Amino acid sequence: GAVVSQHPSRVICKSGTSVKIECRSLDFQATTMFWYRQFPKQSLMLMATSNEGSKATYEQGVEKDKFLINHASLTLSTLTVTSAHPEDSSFYICSARPVGGIPYGYTFGSGTRLTVV
Amino acid sequence: QQQVKQSPQSLIVQKGGISIINCAYENTAFDYFPWYQQFPGKGPALLIAIRPDVSEKKEGRFTISFNKSAKQFSLHIMDSQPGDSATYFCAASSYSGGGADGLTFGKGTHLIIQP
Repeated sequence: GAVVSQHPSRVICKSGTSVKIECRSLDFQATTMFWYRQFPKQSLMLMATSNEGSKATYEQGVEKDKFLINHASLTLSTLTVTSAHPEDSSFYICSARPVGGIPYGYTFGSGTRLTVV
Repeated sequence: QQQVKQSPQSLIVQKGGISIINCAYENTAFDYFPWYQQFPGKGPALLIAIRPDVSEKKEGRFTISFNKSAKQFSLHIMDSQPGDSATYFCAASSYSGGGADGLTFGKGTHLIIQP
């Protein structure tokens, strides 16, 4: 089955620093990947849609200069949280859709727990 | 505006019973309705999904019922087991002419199966 690997699983950083999170599709190609954020005991909120070779599309209220997304290949998308602050502490999860494979299928990574101190 | 409303927020079911979680959506462009199971600290895992051209889909102990006219869909877990204790999310998305939309999630249901 389709597998999405997300790294790191946990990261603690100091306020003001930047953190990069990687999302890889291991056994399929994905022209589109999605980034979600989930606060404790809450639902997943779509942050942005990452398209291979083009600019990401951000949801309303998500700062594109703070959450930099790069989708350089059909198997890798990265999310960089720049100048992180404690309020950015959250669970970040990516998902990917296979190209030409099962339609409508979204496979999720295992998530990254970001703690900003 | 919440596009997918999920209920109940929490649910306790006895082992062997039927767990039922309901969702309602507003956007008529939605045409894909999955259910996800999430354990603490993990990403969501797809349980079962349905498209609006069918009214019911069953996979093992999991069944989705879909009512297009009412814009509602539900998850039924038969013979619920303690290992089913988790948070369940319904979701929806639209797929239009080559585009690819992200999922809109419900707020989740915390399910506890009592042994």
